[in-house]
Amino acid sequence: SYVLTQPPSVSVAPGQTARITCGGVNIGRKSVHWYQQRAGQAPVLVVYDDIDRPSGIPERISGSKSEITAALTISRVDAGDEADYYCQVWDSVGDHWVFGGGTKLTVL
Amino acid sequence: QVRLVESGGGVVLPGRSLRLSCAASGFTFSNYGMHWVRQAPGKGLEWVTIISDDGKTTYYADSVKGRFTVSRDNSNNALYLEMDGLRPDDTAVFYCAKDLGRDGFWGCGSWGQGTLVTVSS
Repeated sequence: SYVLTQPPSVSVAPGQTARITCGGVNIGRKSVHWYQQRAGQAPVLVVYDDIDRPSGIPERISGSKSEITAALTISRVDAGDEADYYCQVWDSVGDHWVFGGGTKLTVL
Repeated sequence: QVRLVESGGGVVLPGRSLRLSCAASGFTFSNYGMHWVRQAPGKGLEWVTIISDDGKTTYYADSVKGRFTVSRDNSNNALYLEMDGLRPDDTAVFYCAKDLGRDGFWGCGSWGQGTLVTVSS
């Protein structure tokens, strides 16, 4: 089955930029969605279709993608960004959605 | 304002059944695909199932195929998950989520707060 690989953790100082990666076979050909889940809360969609942001998501959160890796970039990180982040794609071979294992973002 | 409220969770014996419900409001329910996603304690997100806007198309994770059944009642703005043959590894918070599109391929744009299912003897 299709696998998405994320680093377990990323740490950044306040005001710096965090970059969270998501790797998978032929990910360049898939639409990637990203979710933020703060502790004790339900997930929130922060990026869909690789680069688009739902209304209410600040511009300092952005998505990008190459042929082999998708990435979520958060600029000017603050304490409120501390959360788990998950990438997601549709696996058209298995006909199911797949989540990455999640990345815990720690603001130092 | 989109609102999704799950119910039906609880403690259940292994092998038994449970039915989860999700009450939707604040949007035209019949125009959107709907998902169930679960999260075991301390673990990551696991997608469970998707149902299209008209209820005619469904997909399931391999881990629940043949045991779980998703359905919807568009006249009552409700989503359901019938879970049979429950196992201890089904223990999780179950979230219902609204897709951005009709068929369920655009991402989970809105989520409920979840309902906890505990499978234990």
